[in-house]
Amino acid sequence: QKEVEQDPGPLSVPEGAIVSLNCTYSNSAFQYFMWYRQYSRKGPELLMYTYSSGNKEDGRFTAQVDKSSKYISLFIRDSQPSDSATYLCAMGGAGNNRKLIWGLGTSLAVNP
Amino acid sequence: NAGVMQNPRHLVRRRGQEARLRCSPMKGHSHVYWYRQLPEEGLKFMVYLQKENIIDESGMPKERFSAEFPKEGPSILRIQQVVRGDSAAYFCASSPPGQGDQPQHFGDGTRLSIL
Repeated sequence: QKEVEQDPGPLSVPEGAIVSLNCTYSNSAFQYFMWYRQYSRKGPELLMYTYSSGNKEDGRFTAQVDKSSKYISLFIRDSQPSDSATYLCAMGGAGNNRKLIWGLGTSLAVNP
Repeated sequence: NAGVMQNPRHLVRRRGQEARLRCSPMKGHSHVYWYRQLPEEGLKFMVYLQKENIIDESGMPKERFSAEFPKEGPSILRIQQVVRGDSAAYFCASSPPGQGDQPQHFGDGTRLSIL
């Protein structure tokens, strides 16, 4: 079993739809959780970062963390064609254990 | 542009040659991380460095790979005697000093191709 599981998709939605992306994990030591967006031939771009269970909102993006279920989600409201990319979840520990463990990424296409 | 800078963006080497990948962290960042991305495997951690120190190299292959982050200049990931399986995108990230909960910011990577 992988430490982080993420459905690779692809996911195709019409413009304006609400998109739900999620990851599950098995290591209860993870303490912080991130969502990155990656366009083709580019590096991962940090979208959301959370350090505890609960919700965090930033513009059209909402991140949820449920540590009891080992489940994290990213919601995108009013999706735009420019949101078409691969979305990666990443998780890490604390102290000197800074390596991030990644999901495989979900490919999203938002159709105009 | 104060982002993480990686060069070269593309690097072609023949089997047996050496590859050197460079990374300049964001201004004010003193922690550097290297990751490798393969199409069906996703991003994998390789090494975490601070200035003049390797903190965690648990993801580095035991042979042919080395990394450094000198007091002056960029971080270098060095691959000796490259083989076809080294073909991948190599990403560098950086984070500011402080506690371990600082997010990592990435460069656009170096795409290494081995002929």
